[in-house]
Amino acid sequence: RKEVEQDPGPFNVPEGATVAFNCTYSNSASQSFFWYRQDCRKEPKLLMSVYSSGNEDGRFTAQLNRASQYISLLIRDSKLSDSATYLCVVNRGNTPLVFGKGTRLSVIA
Amino acid sequence: DTAVSQTPKYLVTQMGNDKSIKCEQNLGHDTMYWYKQDSKKFLKIMFSYNNKELIINETVPNRFSPKSPDKAHLNLHINSLELGDSAVYFCASSQEWGGGYEQYFGPGTRLTVT
Repeated sequence: RKEVEQDPGPFNVPEGATVAFNCTYSNSASQSFFWYRQDCRKEPKLLMSVYSSGNEDGRFTAQLNRASQYISLLIRDSKLSDSATYLCVVNRGNTPLVFGKGTRLSVIA
Repeated sequence: DTAVSQTPKYLVTQMGNDKSIKCEQNLGHDTMYWYKQDSKKFLKIMFSYNNKELIINETVPNRFSPKSPDKAHLNLHINSLELGDSAVYFCASSQEWGGGYEQYFGPGTRLTVT
């Protein structure tokens, strides 16, 4: 089983829709969790960290479920500019970040 | 101001050649990384340096040799290039070593080996 798994998509949604992605991780010792965003032919950029209590940033909400070992990202009121690949990232202390393969989102007008 | 810069942005070369990619960060970060993103878009760490010292060296052929002349620079030299080396190589930096810190990525170097 891969350390971080994501549905590759693509998720094709209309503008204004709500879309959610899940990501599962295999190592229960994982401590830090993030969502990065990567636009086509660009570098990854941090979207948000995922805290145990969950966190929200505008239209974006991230949740962590340690018992089931998954994190989620919810995007409300999707915009065309949200079209990108969303990378789930997991860390276990002083080890490298482990990136998932990403979930591709296309928001359609 | 560019935070993490890489040169060149595109590199097309023939099998067997030796090439280098340069990376510089002006963020004052202690830790720098090299990642490889292959055609399947999987982003995998290759090397990590903390204060000019190598701390991670993943299973990478020894044709790849990183060099960090100072904290702000991490270069990647590749000997005897092979077709399978074709990928996008990203440099990144973070404030300190440890997974809790945000990583800032450079724009990537798209390497094509023919």
